[in-house]
Amino acid sequence: QSALTQPASVTGSLGQSITISCTGTSSDIGIYNYVAWYQQHPGKAPRLIIYDVSDRPSGVSNRFSGSKSGNTASLTISGLQAEDEAHYYCCSYTSSRIVVFGTGTRVVVL
Amino acid sequence: EVQVLESGGGLVQPGGSLRLSCVASGFTFSSDAMSWVRQAPGKGLEWVSGISSGTTFYTDSVKGRFTISRDSSNNTLYLQMNSLRAEDTAVYYCAMGYTSLSSWGQGTLVTVSS
Repeated sequence: QSALTQPASVTGSLGQSITISCTGTSSDIGIYNYVAWYQQHPGKAPRLIIYDVSDRPSGVSNRFSGSKSGNTASLTISGLQAEDEAHYYCCSYTSSRIVVFGTGTRVVVL
Repeated sequence: EVQVLESGGGLVQPGGSLRLSCVASGFTFSSDAMSWVRQAPGKGLEWVSGISSGTTFYTDSVKGRFTISRDSSNNTLYLQMNSLRAEDTAVYYCAMGYTSLSSWGQGTLVTVSS
């Protein structure tokens, strides 16, 4: 099972919106609504920010939103803030009954 | 408050074995799915193994070498790692959940080197 494909880096200015894509296949993102997104700051454990494509856990800012179209999922961060600078990973359940992560995206805030 | 705490990491020679433990609290451990995720130095996240409703699952690279198990009497998740290789070197995280991982530990470092 190959990793889901994400852009290596996305850059945005304070207050702007950015979108991170996550491309899978018809064996994972394309057929399941079990897509999650994680935020990871350097030296820290990952934190769940989106689950089941577009749901937010309690305590996660509504500036984070998720969506899916076909084999591609997306994470949008609106009103970009300095603390959003981190790595972001998508994740999907697969037809092999295992879970696969994306390659990861570094978000840079100017 | 949900908490998970990993232990058991360390330095091991290629071909050796190690058992990781993860003590959980703050939720119904016996009924919730659990997973192990690893992160090699400077690399991305890799899902390794999960256990859900008594069924176990593994990524292909560890199948036949790693075994996930749980002891609900003491709220502990285990990962038995045998025939370790250099490419297994990583921080290993324990997390609550399977399709989405809602609570993570701080990780334990496993280094496979001679």
